[in-house]
Amino acid sequence: QSALTQPPSASGSPGQSVTLSCTGTSSDVGGYDYVSWYQQHPGKAPKLMIYEVHKRPSGVPDRFSGSKSGNTASLTVSGLQAEDEADYYCSSYAGSNNLGVFGGGTKLTVL
Amino acid sequence: QVQLQESGPGLVKPSGTLSLTCGVSGGSISSSFWWSWVRQPPGKGLEWIGEIYHSGNTNYNPSLKSRVTISVDKSKNQFSLNLTSVTAADTAMYYCARKDYSDYVVDFWGQGTLVTVSS
Repeated sequence: QSALTQPPSASGSPGQSVTLSCTGTSSDVGGYDYVSWYQQHPGKAPKLMIYEVHKRPSGVPDRFSGSKSGNTASLTVSGLQAEDEADYYCSSYAGSNNLGVFGGGTKLTVL
Repeated sequence: QVQLQESGPGLVKPSGTLSLTCGVSGGSISSSFWWSWVRQPPGKGLEWIGEIYHSGNTNYNPSLKSRVTISVDKSKNQFSLNLTSVTAADTAMYYCARKDYSDYVVDFWGQGTLVTVSS
């Protein structure tokens, strides 16, 4: 199972919006509405930010939103804040008896 | 609130076996979740290693399957990872985690433990 494709870096200024992409195939992202996004600060464990493409766990600010079109999922961070600077990983279900697949991660820099 | 805690040696010799345990607190390992291992080499992305259900059913990453064994100890509410024939490429932060198959997400993670493979 190949990794999902994410741009290695993205950036935005405080208050701006930035959209991170995650491209897979019809066997993973395009085939199921089970895309999730994780935020990881340096030295910390990943934290679930979005699941089932667009749902937010309790406690995640509504500045974070998710969507999907075809084989590409997206995470949009609105009203960027300094604390949003982190690595972001997407993940997708890829069928039964399959662990799923992660993206390579995008480092988001708040300028 | 479920908490997971990895434990095990931080240094393993090449060709040796990496063994880690993940203790689960705040919830039962016999609940309807899968218990996973994920690793992250320094400066790199996340990689699934494998997962186990309390029944003993497992799923492994095909690229590691020949070297990986994940087991569960319900009496101790913990699960374990064994990775044999390790090389420097296995040096990574190792995370244990809980996966919810109702929506295929990892909702709880351990803090991670760094394992270095070196002589």
